[in-house]
Amino acid sequence: RKEVEQDPGPFNVPEGATVAFNCTYSNSASQSFFWYRQDCRKEPKLLMSVYSSGNEDGRFTAQLNRASQYISLLIRDSKLSDSATYLCVVIGHNFNKFYFGSGTKLNVKP
Amino acid sequence: SQTIHQWPATLVQPVGSPLSLECTVEGTSNPNLYWYRQAAGRGLQLLFYSVGIGQISSEVPQNLSASRPQDRQFILSSKKLLLSDSGFYLCAWGDANQPQHFGDGTRLSIL
Repeated sequence: RKEVEQDPGPFNVPEGATVAFNCTYSNSASQSFFWYRQDCRKEPKLLMSVYSSGNEDGRFTAQLNRASQYISLLIRDSKLSDSATYLCVVIGHNFNKFYFGSGTKLNVKP
Repeated sequence: SQTIHQWPATLVQPVGSPLSLECTVEGTSNPNLYWYRQAAGRGLQLLFYSVGIGQISSEVPQNLSASRPQDRQFILSSKKLLLSDSGFYLCAWGDANQPQHFGDGTRLSIL
């Protein structure tokens, strides 16, 4: 079983829509969680950390559900520039190792 | 502020040739360093990571190797490239339990 699983998508949404992605992780001892964004043929860039109480950064909201072992990313009022692949990242009991999901592709259409 | 440099940006190599990719970090001391590979349309595969000079952890058995000759230098090598080594190679740095930050990547094509 993979450490981190994501729906590959693509999610095709119109501008202004709200879209949500989930990501499940297998190791209940996982300590830290992040969302990264990767544009086509570019390196991944940190979008936001995910805190136990949930956190918001502008139009982006991240949440953690430890009981069900998943994290989520909600994007409100989607912009064309939000089109990218969103990677879920989990750190396990070995704090030096990151586990990346394979990514969820988002296409925002005019 | 911290910066990470990775080169070259693109590389075309024949099968059987050697490989050397270099990554350096500035603005931090004793970072954890990582090499990942991403095949087209796929997720990131961790190849190696290092928590200090001369300390290398290998995640996937293959014909690649890594070395960390200096605190902020991480090198990915191969003696003989295979077609399956094609991909997007990414170097990253980070502290334990903290977000990783990536270099611009090297796009490697094997002919």
